[in-house]
Parts: sequence; structure tokens; C-alpha cells
Amino acid sequence: AQSVAQPEDQVKVAEGNPLTVKCTYSVSGNPYLFWYVQYPNRGLQFLLKYITGDNLVKGSYGFEAEFNKSQTSFHLKKPSALVSDSALYFCAVRDRSGGSYIPTFGRGTSLIVHP
Amino acid sequence: DGGITQSPKYLFRKEGQNVTLSCEQNLNHDAMYWYRQDPGQGLRLIYYSQIVNDFQKGDIAEGYSVSREKKESFPLTVTSAQKNPTAFYLCASTSGGGTRYNEQFFGPGTRLTVL
Repeated sequence: AQSVAQPEDQVKVAEGNPLTVKCTYSVSGNPYLFWYVQYPNRGLQFLLKYITGDNLVKGSYGFEAEFNKSQTSFHLKKPSALVSDSALYFCAVRDRSGGSYIPTFGRGTSLIVHP
Repeated sequence: DGGITQSPKYLFRKEGQNVTLSCEQNLNHDAMYWYRQDPGQGLRLIYYSQIVNDFQKGDIAEGYSVSREKKESFPLTVTSAQKNPTAFYLCASTSGGGTRYNEQFFGPGTRLTVL
């Protein structure tokens, strides 16, 4: 079975400070990992994904994420937060082979960036 | 301008009524999905379809039905058997039906409220 944990329901940071939104995963094999962002009353938007290769993945809007196989983590980061980054962030995992074809989503982390 | 459209944006249902939510995509994607989103519960999969004329139940299919007669369309019917349908419904699609590393594209959502 595959699963995703986002241990923080809410993360608060000041504008200009670095931000981290945490994600840990569990799969029977090797993972494909995804981050999405959701603004209020909107659908999810894809930010970035890890397929293979470099453990540091760069995505949209200045976000990046680091894949750590030993810690089974895929934390989302940004060096300098903007107020407009305030939104709901979802991590998702898919097993590379076997297991479920359907991605499993975390419960989401609400990011609040205050001025 | 490619993407996924969902209609209506807001929908109100009376007790005992069936209602149908529309999802259309012009991305030429093979796989389509329906999710239900409730506050604090992340995304829960209702149904998915990897090819035309075929679909599979997700985790919470009871009280819902779907059809996939055309590649670009995947309507969801919320039947009167669904006792608590008030939620935000999201449709998504992915290219390459069996390809696990492709990200999902989401529609803007339909908010269904039971009166």
C-alpha cells in the first residue's frame, strides 16, 4: 500500500523568510512524487514532481523540493516566501510499478504567509 | 486554450434529487478522475477511467455513478443514495493512461450544496 503524510495542518511564515512544507511517503517500491497547490475555491495546480535523477527538483513560482530516499521525504521549499504563496499545498505519491496506479494524496497543509 | 472545464461552478440539490456534474477536457488525455474534497480530509477518489467505455470505483463510489462514452467527457451523477453529498468536487485528467509519472491536470471544481 502507498501512503502520504503531511504532518502539519498549517504552516505560518513571514514574508521574505524561507518556507518548508513537509511530506513523507510510504510505497512498496520506488516513488514518483508530486506537489500541487490549491487557491481558495479553485482546482489544484501542479507545482513539481520527482521522477528520477537529481534529488533537488525545481518547479513553478520559485518552489523546489528535495527527495530524500533514506528519510522517505519530499519536502517543499522556497527561499523567500510571498504573501501570494498563501494557499493549500498537497503532496502526492505513485508507486513506480506494482501497487496502485492511482496517486495517493496527503491531507494538505495550509500555508499562511503574513506581511 | 487547453484545459479542463467543470460545470456548473455552484449546484444546489434538494433531498431525493439526482444531479449531474459535467467534466470536459480538450487535452486529449486518456485517464480521467473524480475526487471529492471536504475540509481537512484532502482528496478522496470517487471514480476513475483509464480509457473510453471503461471506469473503476474509487474509495468512496457509493451513491455516485459515471459514464465515459467519449474521451473528452466524464460526467459524474450524484444520486439520492448519497446521503451527505455537500462537498467540493474536482475532476482531473492525465495523459498516457498507464504512465505513472505524469501529473494530473485539475478542473476548477463544482461546489455542491444540499438544501
